[in-house]
Amino acid sequence: KAGVTQTPRYLIKTRGQQVTLSCSPISGHRSVSWYQQTPGQGLQFLFEYFSETQRNKGNFPGRFSGRQFSNSRSEMNVSTLELGDSALYLCASSPGLSASTDTQYFGPGTRLTVL
Amino acid sequence: LAKTTQPISMDSYEGQEVNITCSHNNIATNDYITWYQQFPSQGPRFIIQGYKTKVTNEVASLFIPADRKSSTLSLPRVSLSDTAVYYCLVVGEYGNKLVFGAGTILRVKS
Repeated sequence: KAGVTQTPRYLIKTRGQQVTLSCSPISGHRSVSWYQQTPGQGLQFLFEYFSETQRNKGNFPGRFSGRQFSNSRSEMNVSTLELGDSALYLCASSPGLSASTDTQYFGPGTRLTVL
Repeated sequence: LAKTTQPISMDSYEGQEVNITCSHNNIATNDYITWYQQFPSQGPRFIIQGYKTKVTNEVASLFIPADRKSSTLSLPRVSLSDTAVYYCLVVGEYGNKLVFGAGTILRVKS
């Protein structure tokens, strides 16, 4: 099976712009989660979607949003970009509802640089 | 979800066994202990998960004492390619939210 794919892999934006990142989960997986990784804050949970519904949300401002489509593909959007949004954005997919029973598989990430 | 504490870094040499201990004093009854490995500029990769006693797979072993307040990831005969950050996580019965701590930077030297 193909792994989790994320596009684009690298992105450069300027402050105030908005950005949309895409994630295609492993075939058959219905859960998609998003994480932000920065040197200062480490890996932080953004949100989780299952069957097009947001099930869980991390402690991020409303500028960060996401959605999931009927084919389980997911997008996340960041509006009004700030310098501090520069990070590696990671997507993870899993087949079911619980991390205690279903392994999560991470994609390679999208490296976002905000200038 | 229970907070985890693990060493910031560890050094080892090729061929040695490496044990990374993680403490999770507030682990709940239905929580599992999960370890992930991450290489630079890549997403984390699942290594092993357990609930109690010992779990072994082709990559590692996980030792969990009866009180479950700590766990030890054991990597047998490490190689240079095992140099990475290792994260210990406690995962709940419901939901796919993973809470990552700072992790342990393992450096394997030749």
